[in-house]
Amino acid sequence: AQSVSQHNHHVILSEAASLELGCNYSYGGTVNLFWYVQYPGQHLQLLLKYFSGDPLVKGIKGFEAEFIKSKFSFNLRKPSVQWSDTAEYFCAVNGGGGFKTIFGAGTRLFVKA
Amino acid sequence: DAGVTQSPTHLIKTRGQQVTLRCSPKSGHDTVSWYQQALGQGPQFIFQYYEEEERQRGNFPDRFSGHQFPNYSSELNVNALLLGDSALYLCASSLRGGAGDEQYFGPGTRLTVT
Repeated sequence: AQSVSQHNHHVILSEAASLELGCNYSYGGTVNLFWYVQYPGQHLQLLLKYFSGDPLVKGIKGFEAEFIKSKFSFNLRKPSVQWSDTAEYFCAVNGGGGFKTIFGAGTRLFVKA
Repeated sequence: DAGVTQSPTHLIKTRGQQVTLRCSPKSGHDTVSWYQQALGQGPQFIFQYYEEEERQRGNFPDRFSGHQFPNYSSELNVNALLLGDSALYLCASSLRGGAGDEQYFGPGTRLTVT
């Protein structure tokens, strides 16, 4: 069965610090990978996605993620966080061409101004 | 351009009762997926509807059922409610619902079972 593991449940950073949120998935075949974000008081929205091609994917607001197939990982990065990046971040996977998307438990990021 | 809407916002039910939650997809979308999000967890896939049929289902019992209407809106029905059904129920819409497609989420319905 597919699963997604997010390494940190809570992360606290100061503004301008670098961010890396870990995500590992379990599925041996072709996968589509996503990072969704939920800002306070807002709906879940797509941050970025990978489905083929360049394993380094760039998303909105300066975020990027790298797909490393050999490590079954899709870590999210941002060189310099801002207070407005405070949110909950979810990694998700859709494997085998099906219609079921599996989400991780989420990481709550708090950025101190 | 209206996004995904869900109703009601909050709902309180008693064990054993039945509940119906409603979702209208984003304009132009034809696929609706339902998720259950328990406190402190990520969304869990319940099922997806496309062309008025259930296309794929997650690990949820038959007490969870759904429907999609010709205008693409959808309902989630839960029978014989259990305390463990208390959660945020999210609806997400997409176009054709393909594996790599972005999903647009609604605000959710908070269901409390007492």
